[in-house]
Amino acid sequence: GAVVSQHPSWVICKSGTSVKIECRSLDFQATTMFWYRQFPKQSLMLMATSNEGSKATYEQGVEKDKFLINHASLTLSTLTVTSAHPEDSSFYICSARVTGGSYEQYFGPGTRLTVT
Amino acid sequence: GQSLEQPSEVTAVEGAIVQINCTYQTSGFYGLSWYQQHDGGAPTFLSYNALDGLEETGRFSSFLSRSDSYGYLLLQELQMKDSASYFCAVRDLNQAGTALIFGKGTTLSVSS
Repeated sequence: GAVVSQHPSWVICKSGTSVKIECRSLDFQATTMFWYRQFPKQSLMLMATSNEGSKATYEQGVEKDKFLINHASLTLSTLTVTSAHPEDSSFYICSARVTGGSYEQYFGPGTRLTVT
Repeated sequence: GQSLEQPSEVTAVEGAIVQINCTYQTSGFYGLSWYQQHDGGAPTFLSYNALDGLEETGRFSSFLSRSDSYGYLLLQELQMKDSASYFCAVRDLNQAGTALIFGKGTTLSVSS
């Protein structure tokens, strides 16, 4: 149980284009989902917390207009990297918490974004 | 705010025991977690300590001392497959609720 999927698993895009990454909770409902970014050999950095039906809360230093997060249902959150640049190339990992459950976070397999 | 400190690298041989320490500073404390991450993979949950003491799960154990703001992950009978990055993490309370905040990670290299 508590499986989180991400799509796509990897994506290559040209500089200036936008990329959408989906995060789904497959066998549970998730009121709260989290988006992390990880650069090579570094830690996971929390980008934002999204609650279903409301605006995401972004961490300091994360541009909300660049990283658009939509959490329109209890099983789906999306992260759109707008006007991507090479420095946005990273490993993006989502995480979800079971609605009404404990504080445990379940992680998706990650999406590797390469911007050329 | 919060900060977590852990060693950047640890090396060991198969069959050995390794301890990865983590010290933390948080405005509020909601437990210390440990995650394992292999290259290119997602982090996988290893253990969670909310109270002082030792939690044992097979070859892995985790310890917490809240008075010292300190914890450690103990890996016994090391195997090559244990080569990975290990992260300690705490929950941070922000305006959105609580989210896991990760330390910088410790790269464990196990050799034969």
